[in-house]
Amino acid sequence: GEQVEQLPSILRVQEGSSASINCTYENSASNYFPWYKQEPGENPKLIIDIRSNMERKQTQGLIVLLDKKAKRFSLHITDTQPGDSAMYFCAASHSNYQLIWGSGTKLIIKP
Amino acid sequence: EAAVTQSPRNKVTVTGGNVTLSCRQTNSHNYMYWYRQDTGHGLRLIHYSYGAGNLQIGDVPDGYKATRTTQEDFFLLLELASPSQTSLYFCASSDPDRSAETLYFGSGTRLTVL
Repeated sequence: GEQVEQLPSILRVQEGSSASINCTYENSASNYFPWYKQEPGENPKLIIDIRSNMERKQTQGLIVLLDKKAKRFSLHITDTQPGDSAMYFCAASHSNYQLIWGSGTKLIIKP
Repeated sequence: EAAVTQSPRNKVTVTGGNVTLSCRQTNSHNYMYWYRQDTGHGLRLIHYSYGAGNLQIGDVPDGYKATRTTQEDFFLLLELASPSQTSLYFCASSDPDRSAETLYFGSGTRLTVL
């Protein structure tokens, strides 16, 4: 079936620096790309999303970029803080509303 | 705040046992989903539904049944549990037909099959 590849699986960055997570998808009809954050012992929560009619979206220290030609999208967290330590999941969907999920990135912020 | 409530929070059963996981949402969402989460696999869709009485097969349906009795209630049934079904199960709801694609997840049910 369709897959979304997410890399890296583990990411360690120094507090205050930036973190980047990359995802690639297979279906060129995909038009919705959300990112979810899951803190330890918690459920996943939407942090930002982007639709295919945009190339960039930014909110509160988060930037999402979408390159439809390369079928690639990415999450960039600027000025990372300890509270950013969590699992991050990307996903992609098209007209049938089914989300195809990446396998997750464990982000570790080093003090 | 959208609300999705799962029960139980934890469940231990034996191989061959019968388990029912419950989920109730008060978001008035049409879509409800059952996912399992395992290290290295992320979230995998088991079954989903777009309304009472409707059931759709997800990506990993084998060994699972589901039933949507009302708009609010969605159940996941394991009739002959196996150790491979040991996992963290999440229920979620959304309403993509009304451009509300955000998934609201419950707190999860941790199932252990001995």
